[in-house]
Amino acid sequence: EAQVTQNPRYLITVTGKKLTVTCSQNMNHEYMSWYRQDPGLGLRQIYYSMNVEVTDKGDVPEGYKVSRKEKRNFPLILESPSPNQTSLYFCASSSIAGGGTGELFFGEGSRLTVL
Amino acid sequence: KNEVEQSPQNLTAQEGEFITINCSYSVGISALHWLQQHPGGGIVSLFMLSSGKKKHGRLIATINIQEKHSSLHITASHPRDSAVYICAALFFNFGNEKLTFGTGTRLTIIP
Repeated sequence: EAQVTQNPRYLITVTGKKLTVTCSQNMNHEYMSWYRQDPGLGLRQIYYSMNVEVTDKGDVPEGYKVSRKEKRNFPLILESPSPNQTSLYFCASSSIAGGGTGELFFGEGSRLTVL
Repeated sequence: KNEVEQSPQNLTAQEGEFITINCSYSVGISALHWLQQHPGGGIVSLFMLSSGKKKHGRLIATINIQEKHSSLHITASHPRDSAVYICAALFFNFGNEKLTFGTGTRLTIIP
C-alpha cells in the first residue's frame, strides 16, 4: 500500500530538548516536503527536497533542519524547540515526471507541543 | 510575492446542493492542487491541475491559466463531503518548486 509514514504522531516536549520527526515513503518519490499547520494561518511549507542530497527552504524554515540521505526518508529536526513551534506537522511526497509534478501523498500528521 | 486566496472561508449548504469553491493566485504557476482535510486531520489529494478540467466522481476541478483562477465544484453534495478544502499553488522558482497554500474553505453539508 502506497503510504507516507510519520513518527511520532503525538509528542509533548520541553523547550530546548532536541527532537526528530521521521518521515518515510514507500513510493520511490523524488519530491518530499514538510509543512506546519496553525489555526488561522493554514499550511505553510518548512523545507522541501527535490531528490537525495537536494534540499531547500520553504516559507518558514527558521528553527528547523532537514536531511535527505536516502530517497525514502526525510526527517525534520528541531535542534532547540521553542513554544512557537507547537503545531501540527505534515510530511508529503510526490513523483516528479516529465518536468511536472504528480499527486501529493500526505502523512497522517504529527502533533507537537513544546512546553 | 506568491499568494493564494480562497473563497469563501466558510460555506454551509443543504444536502444535494451544487457547491463551488474558488482559488486565485498572484503569478504564474506550474500546477495547482486541490486537497481535502477531514475533521480527523488527515489530508487527501483530490486533484492536480496544470490546465483545463478534471473530474472524479461528483468532484470537478477547473483552472483558467489566463485569469489565474481555479474552481472546485461538488455536485449533489452529501454530508460526508463536509471537510476543509484547500488549494495549493506550485510556484516554479529558478529550478525549485515551492507550494503555497490557501487558508482553506470549511464546508458543512446539512442533511
